[in-house]
Amino acid sequence: AQSVTQPDIHITVSEGASLELRCNYSYGATPYLFWYVQSPGQGLQLLLKYFSGDTLVQGIKGFEAEFKRSQSSFNLRKPSVHWSDAAEYFCAVVGTGGGNKLTFGTGTQLKVEL
Amino acid sequence: DSGVTQTPKHLITATGQRVTLRCSPRSGDLSVYWYQQSLDQGLQFLIQYYNGEERAKGNILERFSAQQFPDLHSELNLSSLELGDSALYFCASSSGPNSYEQYFGPGTRLTVT
Repeated sequence: AQSVTQPDIHITVSEGASLELRCNYSYGATPYLFWYVQSPGQGLQLLLKYFSGDTLVQGIKGFEAEFKRSQSSFNLRKPSVHWSDAAEYFCAVVGTGGGNKLTFGTGTQLKVEL
Repeated sequence: DSGVTQTPKHLITATGQRVTLRCSPRSGDLSVYWYQQSLDQGLQFLIQYYNGEERAKGNILERFSAQQFPDLHSELNLSSLELGDSALYFCASSSGPNSYEQYFGPGTRLTVT
């Protein structure tokens, strides 16, 4: 069965610093991968997705992610973090077993220091 | 705003009771998904409907059921509620049966006392 691991539960960065959030997946075939962001009291907003093709994908709010098959990773990056980026970030993969349910990682809580 | 609406935003009820959560998908979307977010289980897929038919089932308890109506809105029914059912319940929608981009509503926070 597919699974997603986000090894960092909490990350703190200073405003203006670069950010990388890690995501590793376990999936037999070519995965369809996503990053979502959840602000306090809000739903999940889709940041970006990878289906195929160029392994560096651009998303909203200045985020990008790189798919590395050899490392089974799909890390999220941002060159310069803004205070408004403080939120919880979830990596997800479309699962097997019929339908296209998402399997989520446990999330990474991002804190931004001013 | 994703275009997915969920009502109510908050629900407080007692153990043993039954509640219904409602979801309206984005205009034009035919698939609806339900997810549960809790502190101990994280985000878990419950069930998917496509154009009124159940398409996929996840770790949904027998006490829970869902349906999608002809106007494509969906309801999630939770019965014989237990304290452990307290969670945030999300609805998401996508355009087709094999459309992988899912757009999430704001969620319904259920508190069982």
